[in-house]
Amino acid sequence: DTAVSQTPKYLVTQMGNDKSIKCEQNLGHDTMYWYKQDSKKFLKIMFSYNNKELIINETVPNRFSPKSPDKAHLNLHINSLELGDSAVYFCASSQPRGLDGYTFGSGTRLTVV
Amino acid sequence: GENVEQHPSTLSVQEGDSAVIKCTYSDSASNYFPWYKQELGKRPQLIIDIRSNVGEKKDQRIAVTLNKTAKHFSLHITETQPEDSAVYFCAAINTGGFKTIFGAGTRLFVKA
Repeated sequence: DTAVSQTPKYLVTQMGNDKSIKCEQNLGHDTMYWYKQDSKKFLKIMFSYNNKELIINETVPNRFSPKSPDKAHLNLHINSLELGDSAVYFCASSQPRGLDGYTFGSGTRLTVV
Repeated sequence: GENVEQHPSTLSVQEGDSAVIKCTYSDSASNYFPWYKQELGKRPQLIIDIRSNVGEKKDQRIAVTLNKTAKHFSLHITETQPEDSAVYFCAAINTGGFKTIFGAGTRLFVKA
């Protein structure tokens, strides 16, 4: 039983394409996140939703659009992909305000060619 | 803005030695400090955490210490083993808000 599952695990696509990454958690958490991890391993927050409501929207190009249909799902859609979007994207969930830490998904390695 | 500095960026130790990773945070309202371990190609996983009303916490070979006055917290791993090799992230969160600030990570190598 995977607590936070995200799909796909790998995504290779051409510049200019549009792609989506899906995330689902079965932990009953209210808060979900998207993080981008670059080649230097730095974890950068992109978005956070609490009970389907957007609460954190960092300086992210508006080509990135999150969608939370319910509190167990947080999807990420990326338009007009660029080479610099290549990274590992992690979904995570937590109790409100991150108490007791995050549970991360297994990551989606996006490669834009 | 809020910031967490983590040192060293790379740490190499001999199996059986101790490893210490240090972090400093800037937001004095931070009150929860988790540590994550990320093995190669895997997800970050919570290994230990400490809240601001506690100065030290231990779980088998790992321990965390917190100095709120100096805004420092540290991860200590004793009797290191090759399977401890990973990237370790510290983090600080102000639970009045919703944002966890991560350190830049420490790549730990344990040589057999």
